[in-house]
Amino acid sequence: DTAVSQTPKYLVTQMGNDKSIKCEQNLGHDTMYWYKQDSKKFLKIMFSYNNKELIINETVPNRFSPKSPDKAHLNLHINSLELGDSAVYFCASSQDRVSGNTEAFFGQGTRLTVV
Amino acid sequence: QKEVEQNSGPLSVPEGAIASLNCTYSDRGSQSFFWYRQYSGKSPELIMSIYSNGDKEDGRFTAQLNKASQYVSLLIRDSQPSDSATYLCAALNTGGFKTIFGAGTRLFVKA
Repeated sequence: DTAVSQTPKYLVTQMGNDKSIKCEQNLGHDTMYWYKQDSKKFLKIMFSYNNKELIINETVPNRFSPKSPDKAHLNLHINSLELGDSAVYFCASSQDRVSGNTEAFFGQGTRLTVV
Repeated sequence: QKEVEQNSGPLSVPEGAIASLNCTYSDRGSQSFFWYRQYSGKSPELIMSIYSNGDKEDGRFTAQLNKASQYVSLLIRDSQPSDSATYLCAALNTGGFKTIFGAGTRLFVKA
């Protein structure tokens, strides 16, 4: 019973295409995130959502558009893919800070390769 | 200055030894700190969380936090080859909605 699940696990696509990655969590958490891990393995936050509302946008290009239809889902749509977008994208979720349990739990990652 | 800094390593220790991993952070308002382990090709997995100054022990792992020095560490006792992985230090920012990761320290435990 996967806590944070994202699909697809692998995505290979050509430059200029548009693609989406989906994420769902069944932990009842209020906050969800997208992280990008590049070839040097640095894990960098892209977006943070709390109860479907965008809280953090870390100066990510407009080609990246997250959408949260409800607090259990956070999808990422990427337009006009570029070679530099190749990376592993991780979805994560955490309970809100009020509860004190702020550990982030990660999905299995989506390896995006742009050719 | 990076928000969370770690020595990238690699750190190599013999089996059975103590591995010591260190981390500093820049946001003085951070209250929550985490250590994650990431095996190659896998997602980060939470090992420890620590919120108060001092030590917190869980099995072979001990996390240490010193907020005055803005320093977090992780000790792994009786290191095993299966502990070989990248260890990520993370801090939750003052606002509470951004968990910031260090670049990770690669640990190798030699049998």
